Amino acid sequence: AQSVTQPDIHITVSEGASLELRCNYSYGATPYLFWYVQSPGQGLQLLLKYFSGDTLVQGIKGFEAEFKRSQSSFNLRKPSVHWSDAAEYFCAVELGGGADGLTFGKGTHLIIQP
Amino acid sequence: DAGVTQSPTHLIKTRGQQVTLRCSPKSGHDTVSWYQQALGQGPQFIFQYYEEEERQRGNFPDRFSGHQFPNYSSELNVNALLLGDSALYLCASSLGRLRNGYTFGSGTRLTVV
Repeated sequence: AQSVTQPDIHITVSEGASLELRCNYSYGATPYLFWYVQSPGQGLQLLLKYFSGDTLVQGIKGFEAEFKRSQSSFNLRKPSVHWSDAAEYFCAVELGGGADGLTFGKGTHLIIQP
Repeated sequence: DAGVTQSPTHLIKTRGQQVTLRCSPKSGHDTVSWYQQALGQGPQFIFQYYEEEERQRGNFPDRFSGHQFPNYSSELNVNALLLGDSALYLCASSLGRLRNGYTFGSGTRLTVV
């Protein structure tokens, strides 16, 4: 069965510092890959997605992610974080066909220090 | 352009009762998926509805059932509620099989006491 691992449960970053959130997936083929953000009490907002092509994907709010097939990874990055980036971040994968739903990691809680 | 709308926002039920949660998809979307998010966990896929039929189902018991109406809105029904059903229930909509990602609603917080 496919799985998604986000090894960092919590990450604390100073405002203005760079950020990298890790995501690894386990699946034989390359799935569709997503990063979502969830603010407290809110639903999920799509940051970016990767289906094929250029392995560096640009998203909203200044985020980007790089797909590395050899490492089965899809890490999320931002060069300079803002206090408003504090939230829960979820990596998700989906198999082809469109009907299998998303498989999510357990999330990484991002804390921004002033 | 309205996004995904879910109702109610919060709900408290007693063990053994039944509950119905509602979802209106984003305008132009025809596919609705439901997810359960327990506290401190990532969402888990319950099932997906397309053309008023359940297209795929995650690892959830038959106590969880759903329906999609001709206007693409959807309901999630849970029977014989257990304490462990307490969670945030998220609805996500998309357009057919297009690979554009899903738009999520803000969820319904269900508490079973």
